[in-house]
Amino acid sequence: ETGVTQSPTHLIKTRGQQVTLRCSSQSGHNTVSWYQQALGQGPQFIFQYYREEENGRGNFPPRFSGLQFPNYSSELNVNALELDDSALYLCASSRGRAGANVLTFGAGSRLTVL
Amino acid sequence: DQQVKQNSPSLSVQEGRISILNCDYTNSMFDYFLWYKKYPAEGPTFLISISSIKDKNEDGRFTVFLNKSAKHLSLHIVPSQPGDSAVYFCAAIWNTGNQFYFGTGTSLTVIP
Repeated sequence: ETGVTQSPTHLIKTRGQQVTLRCSSQSGHNTVSWYQQALGQGPQFIFQYYREEENGRGNFPPRFSGLQFPNYSSELNVNALELDDSALYLCASSRGRAGANVLTFGAGSRLTVL
Repeated sequence: DQQVKQNSPSLSVQEGRISILNCDYTNSMFDYFLWYKKYPAEGPTFLISISSIKDKNEDGRFTVFLNKSAKHLSLHIVPSQPGDSAVYFCAAIWNTGNQFYFGTGTSLTVIP
């Protein structure tokens, strides 16, 4: 059983640039969620994708956007990067989109914005 | 608005003793709670969960207790082992929700 894989593992960008992070979900999982974990904080929900459509969004501005593909993999795009976007971005997949469906996380993509 | 709180950033315990990690929540709509463990450079991994219809769930050395009236849950690890040293996050969700709310984590160190 293949777990959740994320790429790249680390990247450095400058303010105003754009970034794309990628995630392959665990086999058998049809839902992908993205979380942002700032230093010293717990993961914060960005959004969830189910059947290639956004299925809920947390308190993040529209410059955070995403995609889900037919094979359930996903991308997170962030435009006009700000210093506060520096964080660990975690992708998680699950068998369903709501309630008591355990999230399986990838190791994350560490973004540094200078 | 931190709906799930872990007020102890760190905890040190001797090997073989009990580790107790605490978590408080404010939203009474939450009805499913989980604990995740995170090692450095790895993603969080699921440890144990509990539904709001229960007050205790046990899995080997790990037991989670839920006190709904106090809006409090705790994770007990007995006996603690050095390999348990990690950051532990509690998380909560309601039955029809799509986002988990995480606490800020407790860093557990088990001293050999």
